Amino acid sequence: DQQVKQNSPSLSVQEGRISILNCDYTNSMFDYFLWYKKYPAEGPTFLISISSIKDKNEDGRFTVFLNKSAKHLSLHIVPSQPGDSAVYFCAAISTGANSKLTFGKGITLSVRP
Amino acid sequence: GAGVSQSPRYKVAKRGQDVALRCDPISGHVSLFWYQQALGQGPEFLTYFQNEAQLDKSGLPSDRFFAERPEGSVSTLKIQRTQQEDSAVYLCASSLVVGGWVEQYFGPGTRLTVT
Repeated sequence: DQQVKQNSPSLSVQEGRISILNCDYTNSMFDYFLWYKKYPAEGPTFLISISSIKDKNEDGRFTVFLNKSAKHLSLHIVPSQPGDSAVYFCAAISTGANSKLTFGKGITLSVRP
Repeated sequence: GAGVSQSPRYKVAKRGQDVALRCDPISGHVSLFWYQQALGQGPEFLTYFQNEAQLDKSGLPSDRFFAERPEGSVSTLKIQRTQQEDSAVYLCASSLVVGGWVEQYFGPGTRLTVT
């Protein structure tokens, strides 16, 4: 039972354009969401996060949007660069007792020069 | 500075063998996590340590899996009598703070292949 779903396994965009990576969740107890980026043969690295009390968080080229009513979040990368090519994982957590990170399956982003 | 390191990076085991995977967290990090990442999947939580105390082992898939962190620093994940379904990348992460779920630094992982 996937509580965090990344339904598109891959995305290809042209350099300079916007990349939009989507994530859906089913557990309404989740109150904090994170995006991780992973290069081959490396561990995931934290990219950006958002609390459920916000609907947007921006950090440079990266913006995460949260729509709680739809249980949906998205990561926007503008402008996309070839170095952004990686696997992106959406993760969620309920920040209470016995909480743990739940990850989606990941999306492979390819940015074409 | 040094990040989280894991060894070995690759391990091939014959079915039924025991394996031990090592994690060296960032110095001073209180929290340590182990995850299992099967091919095409996201990381799945296995267990959590706060210093030397194993506070959550709810994600360990069977009693063949055992983890320890005896001195609150280095951790070892041991898998006994390996099975083919144990083939995965095993990720270790550490965090400076107690809990630290949202401030984890991941190691590169150990890719285990059981033949």
